[in-house]
Order: sequence, then structure tokens, then C-alpha cells
Amino acid sequence: DPQVKQNSPSLSVQEGRISILNCDYTNSMFDYFLWYKKYPAEGPTFLISISSIKDKNEDGRFTVFLNKSAKHLSLHIVPSQPGDSAVYFCAASRNQFYFGTGTSLTVIP
Amino acid sequence: ETGVTQTPRHLVMGMTNKKSLKCEQHLGHNAMYWYKQSAKKPLELMFVYNFKEQTENNSVPSRFSPECPNSSHLFLHLHTLQPEDSALYLCASSRDDRLNSPLHFGNGTRLTVT
Repeated sequence: DPQVKQNSPSLSVQEGRISILNCDYTNSMFDYFLWYKKYPAEGPTFLISISSIKDKNEDGRFTVFLNKSAKHLSLHIVPSQPGDSAVYFCAASRNQFYFGTGTSLTVIP
Repeated sequence: ETGVTQTPRHLVMGMTNKKSLKCEQHLGHNAMYWYKQSAKKPLELMFVYNFKEQTENNSVPSRFSPECPNSSHLFLHLHTLQPEDSALYLCASSRDDRLNSPLHFGNGTRLTVT
């Protein structure tokens, strides 16, 4: 059973609106969480991370929220731009990194 | 050149061939990783090297053989592969293997085994 799950394979958002990408995990011992972005024919690119001692981390248009009691991680992108269209992976670590299967975000101009 | 570079980008090989994937990082990192990405599956960790020493072998079949001559270079030697080994192979590096700093990935090698 996967330890990190992204239940939405795809998401479409209008340009300028907020994109919310979700991720659930099962292991309460995870202590570091990350989001990656992947364009076709490229490797994943690190976006933003959060330690388990925090519940929010912000970097420009990107904010990651961590709800430890719900074992839930989310990435907010605001405002969304067409260049944000990509596949987004969440990951969590304890003794190794565990990745979700990705959510494909399309930002419609 | 900066970042993590992988060669070749694409590789087609028969089941009896021997080939190698190469990875080089220019980030001054001490840990390097091989991951496998199959369609519709999460990234799977294969091997971890920290300061040139292998610290993780995630139950990978012996037909995959890693080599790390120094902290900047990582190879994956392939022999007698199976068609189900066809996948995207990603190399990554990080500051160290303590898992509290992000992985930086290369663009991957798309491997097809015929």
C-alpha cells in the first residue's frame, strides 16, 4: 500500500485563480515533506519543502500546508499562471523518500 | 554546466545486451541516488550512495549494478534486462543522505528493453 497518495490525477484551473494540490500520507513518522514539479521530458524540479515541526511554508506564489493530525499536505499556487502547467509530485521522508504518483495541473489562459 | 546531467537520454537495448547509464552532478553534493519511474507508479528508490559508499540497495535485482567512483559520478550498469525493466531511470543528488534536504534530479534516461 503506497505511503504517499495523490488521489487526483489531474486538475484544471483558470489563469489567475488558486490551484490547490493535495497529498495524503499514512506514516506519522515522516518528518520532511516536499513538492516537485515536472515538465514533459525533464526530471522533477524541487519546488518547496516543509519540516514536520511547521504547519506552513511560503515561497512567493507557492505555499505548502501540513496538517499532521489529518496526515495531509497541500500545495497552494496563487495566482496560477499558464507556465505552472506540469505534473506535481509530493514526497515525504523518514528512512527514504516516498513519492506520490503525481497530479497533472493545467492552467487555462 | 550546472545541476545533474544524465546520459544517454534514450536507450533501446535487447535482453542480451550490456549497457551503462551515466550521471554527473555539479552541485557539490555528497549523496547520489538511482530511481526508477514506471508508468502510473510512484518513483521507486533503487540505490543510494553517500560519500561514494553504497548505503541503500532497495532489493534491486542483480541485473542492475551501480558504481560510484566519486561523489560527482554515478553509473548504472545493465545486463540481461527484461522487458518489464523498461522505464524512466532518474539520477538524483542531495547534500547528504540524511533526508532533510531536497533531491535534485537529472532529466532521466528513457530505457526500452526489447
